[in-house]
Amino acid sequence: SQQGEEDPQALSIQEGENATMNCSYKTSINNLQWYRQNSGRGLVHLILIRSNEREKHSGRLRVTLDTSKKSSSLLITASRAADTASYFCATDALRVTDKLIFGTGTRLQVFP
Amino acid sequence: DADVTQTPRNRITKTGKRIMLECSQTKGHDRMYWYRQDPGLGLRLIYYSFDVKDINKGEISDGYSVSRQAQAKFSLSLESAIPNQTALYFCATSEGTGWSDTQYFGPGTRLTVL
Repeated sequence: SQQGEEDPQALSIQEGENATMNCSYKTSINNLQWYRQNSGRGLVHLILIRSNEREKHSGRLRVTLDTSKKSSSLLITASRAADTASYFCATDALRVTDKLIFGTGTRLQVFP
Repeated sequence: DADVTQTPRNRITKTGKRIMLECSQTKGHDRMYWYRQDPGLGLRLIYYSFDVKDINKGEISDGYSVSRQAQAKFSLSLESAIPNQTALYFCATSEGTGWSDTQYFGPGTRLTVL
């Protein structure tokens, strides 16, 4: 089963609004990453947050990590139509088989 | 030019055919990966290679094989394609030695097996 589950599965907002996506995972992690995928394209790395960090910013992106709840959130502020994409979390789990485990993704649609 | 390229970008084939998907990278990374993406399932790891002498199975390697011809080239083969291998396939690379390192993805190959 997937380590990461994103919520919601789909999100539609207007330009200028904020978009929040959540990721829950099952086992303890070293790090958590967020990736973006434009339709039919490869994934692009957005940000990495380490297990000892609680919040991280990059431009209009804000990521939080709550290891006690095994969850992370990605906030995109002042969204733009170009932010329309799917967003995936990926975890590097402690003491688990060797791999980066991707969640199922949130599809974000930003309307002009 | 793209750092990670995949060929072909689209392929339609028939059940039982042998198919090879190719991946090349100019990033100089030692680590390379093959994933498949199915709707609603996210990405799943098929095979990965830490260098030209190292090949490892991922979580869904059955029905697939790989070849690491050089640091820059990593090919995925379907020896006898079946319809449930219809998916979007991605090659990726990473620079470092851990699973926390950023992975750089190619544009993907959309494979349809009839």
